[in-house]
Amino acid sequence: EEQLVESGGGLVKPGGSLRLSCAASGFVFSRYTMNWVRQAPGKGLEWVSSVTATSWDISHTESVKGRFTTSRDNTKNSLFLQMNSLRAEDTAVYYCARFGTAVGLRAGFDLWGQGIMVTVSA
Amino acid sequence: EIVLTQSPDTLSLSPGERATLSCRASQTISSNYLAWYQHKPGQAPRLLVYGISTRAAGIPDRFSGSGSATDFTLTISRLEPEDFAVYYCQQYGSSPPYTFGQGTKLEI
Repeated sequence: EEQLVESGGGLVKPGGSLRLSCAASGFVFSRYTMNWVRQAPGKGLEWVSSVTATSWDISHTESVKGRFTTSRDNTKNSLFLQMNSLRAEDTAVYYCARFGTAVGLRAGFDLWGQGIMVTVSA
Repeated sequence: EIVLTQSPDTLSLSPGERATLSCRASQTISSNYLAWYQHKPGQAPRLLVYGISTRAAGIPDRFSGSGSATDFTLTISRLEPEDFAVYYCQQYGSSPPYTFGQGTKLEI
């Protein structure tokens, strides 16, 4: 069964750091672009970052640039999100999501983890 | 950055009725890279449709996507009780950011 499982969330003070992990199983992780998506309380989905299969291209949404770093380890089938200088507005459920492909074309985010809560509060 | 605006914000319908959800983009979506997701509280979002109109694996045929350029629609032909959720459109064009619409809440 294809699966993504996030870990590493929790409560952190403003200005603090946290590292999220996403463990993949049931598929060839190294073939897929991976993403982080978040949902703040009472808000909609927000794309956070993306890393291509071989890490040649990594992108972040403007509000986290310079504070968050996305990486992956294909030998361990894992995706990471290093979050520094955290702010209250970073409080959200964070999801990892796989960028699907179909007949060589992009096919949306076709596999999601259950999400992990990150709370930034004094 | 492409901005997606969904309408309505909330749609109140009954089981058996037809639901029509709209998504408008601030500029043309490249390569038809437009998707729809269903999201229920406490669950992972679920991909329903990609490429404007292709249903994802395991998605019932009562869900259908249509549209082009900047205007897109998700139609649920006959609502089932399990269809009441929040729905998001997303553009996933050739390069990031891969923006989502603000969501439409489909309620009984």
